This record gives sequence, structure tokens and C-alpha cells, in this order.
Amino acid sequence: GAVVSQHPSWVICKSGTSVKIECRSLDFQATTMFWYRQFPKQSLMLMATSNEGSKATYEQGVEKDKFLINHASLTLSTLTVTSAHPEDSSFYICSASGTGLYNSPLHFGNGTRLTVT
Amino acid sequence: AQTVTQSQPEMSVQEAETVTLSCTYDTSESDYYLFWYKQPPSRQMILVIRQEAYKQQNATENRFSVNFQKAAKSFSLKISDSQLGDAAMYFCAYRGYTGTASKLTFGTGTRLQVTL
Repeated sequence: GAVVSQHPSWVICKSGTSVKIECRSLDFQATTMFWYRQFPKQSLMLMATSNEGSKATYEQGVEKDKFLINHASLTLSTLTVTSAHPEDSSFYICSASGTGLYNSPLHFGNGTRLTVT
Repeated sequence: AQTVTQSQPEMSVQEAETVTLSCTYDTSESDYYLFWYKQPPSRQMILVIRQEAYKQQNATENRFSVNFQKAAKSFSLKISDSQLGDAAMYFCAYRGYTGTASKLTFGTGTRLQVTL
């Protein structure tokens, strides 16, 4: 149980275009979703936290206008990288938490490797 | 703010031997959760083990066990009878109980190599 599906698993886009990454909870209601970014050989850095039906809370230093997060339903959150540039190339991972927010581990998607050319 | 420190960037262990990965954290909260995640080359995050801070008993999951020292804010992972499939990045993570602290804060990771 507690499967999180992330799509696409990899994407290549041209500089200046926008890319949307989807994160779905398949068998539970994700009241909270988290978006992380991971550079090669580094740890996961939290970008933002989103609660269903509310605006996302961004971590310090993360541009909210560049990384648009939508969490319109209890099973879907999207991250849109707007006007992507090569420095946005990274591995993006979503995670979700459902009922029992504080006593259950977060469930992770398989990640999306974004390459901006 | 909570911080998680993993002081061992890389570790190596022979197959069938035991290895311990270190983790320390800093928090002012009294209740929280601690986790160890494994990230193989596929980059999928796999939960290895978790510990509730209010529990004194150390968590165990088959070959994986932790040594949780709350006063020292230490949370080490012991892998017994190491297998080739254990080779991966291991991240220690902290999660608080309330509000935005419910996010996971990760350490910098330890890369574990398993040799024959």
C-alpha cells in the first residue's frame, strides 16, 4: 500500500520552456505533499510543502514564481518549472503524507530527472 | 531549526560483516520521529527503519537495527550480515510532530560500499 506515482521519470526540455511534473497518491489521500530537489551526490533539499486546497509553503531561497506548485485534489500535486534554464537541471522527488500525518513515514515517488538544454 | 548530521561520507563493509552508520541531530522538540532511508542507484527512496522518540526500545527490522540515544541526540544504523544489495546511499532523517516541522529533514548521506 501507500504508493506514490511520479511522472515523467525523465524529461529533456529546451531553455525557456516550462515543464510539469505530476505526483499522484494511488491508494491513499495525500493531505500533504512535499517537493524535494536533489543535485548529484547531494542530499534531498525541501523546496515546498503543499496542502490540498491551499497555497504551497516554499522554503527560503526557492522562487515561488519559478516553481509553481498546485495541490488541487487529495491525490494529485503538480510542480511546474517555468522558463526552465540549465541550472534547473536536477532530480526532483515528491513525497506524500496521508492520514496519521505525524506517525507515518513519507511515501516517495520515483523521482523525475530534468535536463534543460 | 532542526539539523541532521552524518559525519561519514563513505563507508565500506565486507559481505556478511556488520557496519554502523552514524547520525546526530539537533532539535529543541521532545517528540519527533527519526528515519533511515536507503537510496540505491535507481534513486528510489526506500524506508529502512524508523524510531519514535518517545520509545526507549531501539527499533529493529530484520538485519537492520538502530542505537537511539535521545539525550545524546544520536541515531546510528547497524546493518548486520551485509549483502551486496545493501550498497546504496543512506540518509538519516528527522521529522517533528507539529505544523511545518512535519517535513522530513535529511542528513547529507553516507555512501555504503559492500565488497566481496
